[in-house]
Parts: sequence; C-alpha cells; structure tokens
Amino acid sequence: ELKVEQNPLFLSMQEGKNYTIYCNYSTTSDRLYWYRQDPGKSLESLFVLLSNGAVKQEGRLMASLDTKARLSTLHITAAVHDLSATYFCAVDIVGGGADGLTFGKGTHLIIQP
Amino acid sequence: AAGVIQSPRHLIKEKRETATLKCYPIPRHDTVYWYQQGPGQDPQFLISFYEKMQSDKGSIPDRFSAQQFSDYHSELNMSSLELGDSALYFCASSPGLKETQYFGPGTRLLVL
Repeated sequence: ELKVEQNPLFLSMQEGKNYTIYCNYSTTSDRLYWYRQDPGKSLESLFVLLSNGAVKQEGRLMASLDTKARLSTLHITAAVHDLSATYFCAVDIVGGGADGLTFGKGTHLIIQP
Repeated sequence: AAGVIQSPRHLIKEKRETATLKCYPIPRHDTVYWYQQGPGQDPQFLISFYEKMQSDKGSIPDRFSAQQFSDYHSELNMSSLELGDSALYFCASSPGLKETQYFGPGTRLLVL
C-alpha cells in the first residue's frame, strides 16, 4: 500500500523567511504533484514532477524530486502572507490506468507579517 | 479558461436519504476522478473513469456508485446516507491517462 508522509503538518513562519516542506512516499511512483488548497476551496495544481532530479520553480515556490530517496521538497523563498494555505503532495502510482492520487496529510502553512 | 464544473455546490440531506452529485469535466478531458475530503483531512480517492469506462477504484463505499456518460460528464450516486458521509466531494478531470488532474470547486454535503 502506498503511503505518503508530509512534514511538518503545521508551520507558522514570518514573512521574508525561507522554509522547506518534505514529502516522502513508500513505493515507486510515476509522478509527484504539489497542490495548494485555501480553506474550503478547491485544490490548485502547482507542480508536477516526472523524473529523478526534476526541479520546477514558480515565483517564490520551488519543488524538487529525488526518486531514489522517494523524497520531494517544496521550498518557499522569502515568504509572503499570500502564500498562507495548505499544501499537499500527491503521488501517482506506477500503472497504466486512470489511477487515483494518494495524498499526504497536508502542511498547514501560516505566514505572519 | 474553462474549469471543472460541479453541481450542486452545497447539499443538505437527512440520514438514509440519497444524493446525486454531478461533474462536468474541462472540455476535451476524457478522464474523471472523484475524491472525498473530510474536515481537516486529505482528499481520499473514490473512483475514476476513462473514456466512459471505470478505470480505478479506491475507498468508495458499496452504498455509492458512479458512472461517466457519453458526453463525459459523471455522476456520483450516494444512497443510505450516513452522518460520516458529510464532506467535500471533489471531481477532477484530466486530458488523458497520467496527466495532471484539475479539480473542480467541490460539492459540500452535509448529512443531518
């Protein structure tokens, strides 16, 4: 059974600081996703990482993937209040069908002025 | 850009009643997924369809069923509702297999 673990689950940080969210998964994966969710809202796709060593950046967020370690990171640079949200990593297992994603528990991020 | 449409957005039902949730995928997306998200929880995969055929099955209760129609929209039918079914139900669509899943706004179901 695929397990996805995120840490930390809760993070309070100040604007301007840097921090990293970690996502570990237990079995070989086709691809790894990062989603953002604001309270009571939908999930917004941030990044999809396909191969070992993949790195993607969008604004103050950068995601990377190490398939050998089964680890992905989401790095936040010079955080701003607008980045406050819950961030989920999600893993797509190896397979040929329309496989459902397995999500981590999410990291609830609060960025304070 | 067009997004996934879900209806209704909010639904209140009594225990043991039935509910039908609808999902209209992004145009030209042929793959639909259903997820359930309880309060403070991560989304749990229920079921998926590709080209109108069931593709993958997750933790969907036997009381629930779903299908995808010829126009690619999908419906999730829920019977004998229980208090524990209260949750946000998301539909996601993708333009094929192993493509990014784009989530709809969700249907908030409250069972009293």
